[in-house]
Parts: sequence; C-alpha cells; structure tokens
Amino acid sequence: SQTIHQWPATLVQPVGSPLSLECTVEGTSNPNLYWYRQAAGRGLQLLFYSVGIGQISSEVPQNLSASRPQDRQFILSSKKLLLSDSGFYLCAWSRTGVDSPLHFGNGTRLTVT
Amino acid sequence: AQRVTQPEKLLSVFKGAPVELKCNYSYSGSPELFWYVQYSRQRLQLLLRHISRESIKGFTADLNKGETSFHLKKPFAQEEDSAMYYCALSNTGGFKTIFGAGTRLFVKA
Repeated sequence: SQTIHQWPATLVQPVGSPLSLECTVEGTSNPNLYWYRQAAGRGLQLLFYSVGIGQISSEVPQNLSASRPQDRQFILSSKKLLLSDSGFYLCAWSRTGVDSPLHFGNGTRLTVT
Repeated sequence: AQRVTQPEKLLSVFKGAPVELKCNYSYSGSPELFWYVQYSRQRLQLLLRHISRESIKGFTADLNKGETSFHLKKPFAQEEDSAMYYCALSNTGGFKTIFGAGTRLFVKA
C-alpha cells in the first residue's frame, strides 16, 4: 500500500532563516506531487505541483520554492523566511491520469517568529 | 481559469436533518470533481468523486454541468458527520487540483 510521510510536524523558525520541509511517498512510482498551504477561511491554496523529477510548476508568486530531486521526494524551501510564510503546509500525491484523488500527509505547522 | 466556490463557511444542522453543502465551479474543460473531508485531528481525505457516482457514509453528490454545481447531500445527518468539507476540481488529466474555501459542518444532537 502507498504511504506519504511529511516532516517535521511542527516548526518554529525566526524571520530570515532558511526553510526545508520534506515529503516522501512509498509504494508507488512516478506520482504527481503537490504542496498546499491551508489557511482558516481560505481553504487550500496550491503552491507547487510536480509531474516528474525536476519538473516543478509554481502556482503563486511567493517566497518559497520546491524541488523534486528523486521520483518520490518533494521538498519545500525558502532561503529567508517571512512572517507571512507562517501557516499549515500539506504535501500530497496522486497517480497520473483521470479520476486520481489526492492523498495527503499529516501536514507541517510552520510558525515564523 | 479553474475556480471552486463554497458559499457557506459554516453549516449547522440538527441530527437527523437533511444536509446540503454547496459547491459551484468554473472550468472551461471537462472537470473532475471531488469532495474531501477533514475530521478533527485527522488528515484530509477523499470522501467521494463524481466519476464514481458512489455513496459514501450516506453522502452523495451529483455533477450538474448546466448549473456548474457539485453539491454534497445527505438525507439524515449524524453527529459523526461534523467535520470540514472541501470541494475540489481537477483539470483534465488530473495533475492540478484546486480547492474551495471549505464548509464546516456542525451536527447538533
């Protein structure tokens, strides 16, 4: 069966520090991978998605970047965090093709102080 | 452009009452629509998908292309249905999914 791991669960970082959130998927190959930010009252905002190694699509201009160094690894990064980067970040995967629902990780609560 | 609208942030009903969570979408292609649910202290998970025409936990949702809607319905709400519900739309090919703002359902005893 497929599993998705996302870590850390919580993170407190000072403004201006770097960020690296990691997500890995097991039990499937060539998944689509996603980073979302979940905000109260605003739902889930799609930040990045990837359909293959090295292929990253950015949905919103921001202080964040994503990378996919391996087939089942997806990393969310920032060189210098802003206060506005605080939030709840969700990683997800799906199979390619039609009718492919998303499978979410447990999320990371990021607080920038 | 893809857009999903859930007009109600909060919906409160009594146990045993019917419930309908509204979802409207905007998409120029052939949409793939889903409902996701997040129970307290659990991860976000799929509830149902339009293409399967299934009923999950008593919930159903019918795609109405004329009204561009995908409302979620249940005839008799249960307390355990209390959760956050998100409507989602995937583009053709399924590699990009966007979500509505979500509706919090509260079922009162």
